[in-house]
Amino acid sequence: EVQLLESGGGLLQPGGSLTLSCVASTFTFRNYAMTWVRQAPGKGLEWVSIINNGGGVTYYADSVKGRFTISRDNSKNTLYLQMNSLRAEDTAVYYCATGVSSSVRSGFDYWGQGTLVTVSS
Amino acid sequence: QSVLTQSPSASATPGQRVTISCSGSSSNIGSNTVNWYQQLPGTAPKLLIYSNNQRPSGVPDRFSGSESGTSASLAISGLQSEDEADYYCAAWDDSLNGWVFGGGTKLTVL
Repeated sequence: EVQLLESGGGLLQPGGSLTLSCVASTFTFRNYAMTWVRQAPGKGLEWVSIINNGGGVTYYADSVKGRFTISRDNSKNTLYLQMNSLRAEDTAVYYCATGVSSSVRSGFDYWGQGTLVTVSS
Repeated sequence: QSVLTQSPSASATPGQRVTISCSGSSSNIGSNTVNWYQQLPGTAPKLLIYSNNQRPSGVPDRFSGSESGTSASLAISGLQSEDEADYYCAAWDDSLNGWVFGGGTKLTVL
């Protein structure tokens, strides 16, 4: 069964930086697009960013563009989200998810359990 | 305000059929396929329907999806208590160059 394990969440102050990681196992990581989706407490799902299977194509939600960077290391089966200039409104559980295929337009298949990021002074 | 519009709530009794709708525009549902996700309380979302009407392996055929123009629907027949969850639609948006979600529909099984 596909396994995705997020880590790196925590409590930090506004303006701070954090890098989330998502380690994948039991599937061929390099063949699939990967995405980050977040969910603020008590709120709905919000797509954050997506990267294609090779890492050369990335897209971001307007709310994080210029502050967040998605990347992947296919040799380590790991997806990253570098988050800078964090704001209170970035507080959420961050999920990584696999693409249905290599394409960024194919949707999200398997999801990790999420890691909580809290931005507060 | 979500780009895709869903009713905030729906309810039905066990055994009934319920339909959850998702309304978008020409730049998302009108030109790309729709996926549906189920989120049980306290858990991560799960893919329920992809490409408008395809079920991943393991999803019961009680769940079905359809699309018409700029709207999509998720139907659940033979409703069961374990279907009580939040349901989200999602689609790629060509204008935003990104994915958009509906605000979610909370399904209550009475």
